[in-house]
Amino acid sequence: EDKVVQSPLSLVVHEGDTVTLNCSYEVTNFRSLLWYKQEKKAPTFLFMLTSSGIEKKSGRLSSILDKKELFSILNITATQTGDSAIYLCAFRASGTYKYIFGTGTRLKVLA
Amino acid sequence: SQTIHQWPATLVQPVGSPLSLECTVEGTSNPNLYWYRQAAGRGLQLLFYSVGIGQISSEVPQNLSASRPQDRQFILSSKKLLLSDSGFYLCAWAGQGVFTEAFFGQGTRLTVV
Repeated sequence: EDKVVQSPLSLVVHEGDTVTLNCSYEVTNFRSLLWYKQEKKAPTFLFMLTSSGIEKKSGRLSSILDKKELFSILNITATQTGDSAIYLCAFRASGTYKYIFGTGTRLKVLA
Repeated sequence: SQTIHQWPATLVQPVGSPLSLECTVEGTSNPNLYWYRQAAGRGLQLLFYSVGIGQISSEVPQNLSASRPQDRQFILSSKKLLLSDSGFYLCAWAGQGVFTEAFFGQGTRLTVV
């Protein structure tokens, strides 16, 4: 059965720290991996990764995919309190319209 | 631009009562539509998805059902709510493209008492 596992489940850091969030997956016919940030209600899209080794970057956030080892990481540098949220990883397999999400990582950044 | 509307934002219902949550999308046609449920502070569980009017795929056997009476309308229903139906329900849409992301509504917080 296709699945995605995120680690850690929760994380508390101080402002300025760098964090790495992990997402590993087991899926047949991989198509894409997506990262979302959920602060209160609606998850908002961060990145879509389809190819190994190509880093996606937006400000202090970056992400990369390893299709051989079946994982992705999301890095946040110089964290701010506004980065506090649940970070969700999801994949979509070829031949399906489903987005399968992981358990999420709850990040709390202390001032 | 595309927008997704989901209502109500919060709902408190007694056990055994019916449920109807509605989701509509504007600014696009023939979207794929999804219903997810989220346990407190955790990941999203896919409940139903639809690739067209009247086409519903169920992912998890449960006390809920979904319908798509119009192209951009997706409804989540129950005839008799259970305590275990409490949770945060999110509607989402995605385009028909191969590499597309899903866009989420603001969610409905359902408490069954």
